[in-house]
Amino acid sequence: EVVLTQSPATLSLSPGERATLSCRASQGISSTYLGWYQQRPGQPPRLLIYAASSRATGIPDRFSGGGSGTDFTLTISRLEPEDSAVYYCHQYSGSPWTFGQGTKVEIK
Amino acid sequence: EVQLVESGGGLVQPGGSLRLSCAVSGFAFSNYWMSWVRQAPGKGLEWVANIWKDGSEIYYVDSVKGRFTISRDNAKNTLYLQMNSLRAEDTAVYYCARVDGIPSTGIWWLDPWGQGTLVTVSS
Repeated sequence: EVVLTQSPATLSLSPGERATLSCRASQGISSTYLGWYQQRPGQPPRLLIYAASSRATGIPDRFSGGGSGTDFTLTISRLEPEDSAVYYCHQYSGSPWTFGQGTKVEIK
Repeated sequence: EVQLVESGGGLVQPGGSLRLSCAVSGFAFSNYWMSWVRQAPGKGLEWVANIWKDGSEIYYVDSVKGRFTISRDNAKNTLYLQMNSLRAEDTAVYYCARVDGIPSTGIWWLDPWGQGTLVTVSS
């Protein structure tokens, strides 16, 4: 099983600042098999990024993903108030699919 | 509009059973893998199970194998999760999600998701 570890647990930043979220895999995975989801309070998760760096339909270009092997990142270039949420990385390189434990982004 | 609507959650005693349903509309249900993902209160996401378009391939997380059964009725555009021998640790919001992607590349994603249904296992 591939374990995903996200850091930091919480990120508190001001609007307009840059957020960098990390996702580390317990073993190397192809960037093809890594995605990111956003979950706002009281809402289901929403797809942001697939294949490590491809934005889903309708996702603003201030969201970008990257990385390879065991280290992946989600960057929010200019934070807006509506970006306040928990962000999860997700791997689907094999069964079982797994998620990271999440990074909470707070907007000051 | 693509919609996924879960139902069937509720309070059940340990050892009991429950069947969740996920009614879908707005897309060709029989053309997609489907998935169940759960989220314990205040916790992160846990993938539970996937089912192939015609039900011929099924995958489960180890913690539910032998207790949960995922199935689908393509004529009714409905996904199911039969949950038996429920435990306190199964308490969670259960989401159904469509599995989409680029099959030839192995790229998959979960989109969209339903609003979820809460299952509480307690005496």
